[in-house]
Amino acid sequence: NAGVTQTPKFQVLKTGQSMTLQCAQDMNHNSMYWYRQDPGMGLRLIYYSASEGTTDKGEVPNGYNVSRLNKREFSLRLESAAPSQTSVYFCASSGTGGLNEKLFFGSGTQLSVL
Amino acid sequence: AQKITQTQPGMFVQEKEAVTLDCTYDTSDQSYGLFWYKQPSSGEMIFLIYQGSYDEQNATEGRYSLNFQKARKSANLVISASQLGDSAMYFCAMSGEAAGNKLTFGGGTRVLVKP
Repeated sequence: NAGVTQTPKFQVLKTGQSMTLQCAQDMNHNSMYWYRQDPGMGLRLIYYSASEGTTDKGEVPNGYNVSRLNKREFSLRLESAAPSQTSVYFCASSGTGGLNEKLFFGSGTQLSVL
Repeated sequence: AQKITQTQPGMFVQEKEAVTLDCTYDTSDQSYGLFWYKQPSSGEMIFLIYQGSYDEQNATEGRYSLNFQKARKSANLVISASQLGDSAMYFCAMSGEAAGNKLTFGGGTRVLVKP
């Protein structure tokens, strides 16, 4: 059972480089999310997608773009990476984004920007 | 805006003892949900337990229970009979109507279980 799959697991970038984090879920969920986790802090929402074809900003969207390619896939792009974007990134999904719905998380991507 | 506060950055607990992790929240929503997640050193996020704001009874899942005190806006996690495998970061989170049901997380509490 794959659940939520993120790639890559690790990435090192130089300042100014671009990259895309990929995320796919096989649970037929409508809602998908990108969070970042900084050392000693909880998760902060970057972007989310309530359904295929829609995306919205979260708490910390600056420097990121997202694409909900289809119902399964939700990618996060860093156009010009900055050291402040060094973090662990988590993709998550939930069925309908309801109040009582838990999130299913991917295993995370550890990104370092030098 | 909804806010979650976890005031204990870290704590030790003796194996087989119970431990309580504090979580307070702030929201203007009448209807909301409270969640606890576990993050072991391997990094994945594991859902533990959920409590709805209108649930009259405290939620329980195996060794985990949620001590929900609505008037005090607290949702503490109690882990009974701690095991070495309980050593991890624990995050409290909430969902609310005003935030479009998106989860807001606290800063986490690191628990280390001593043998």
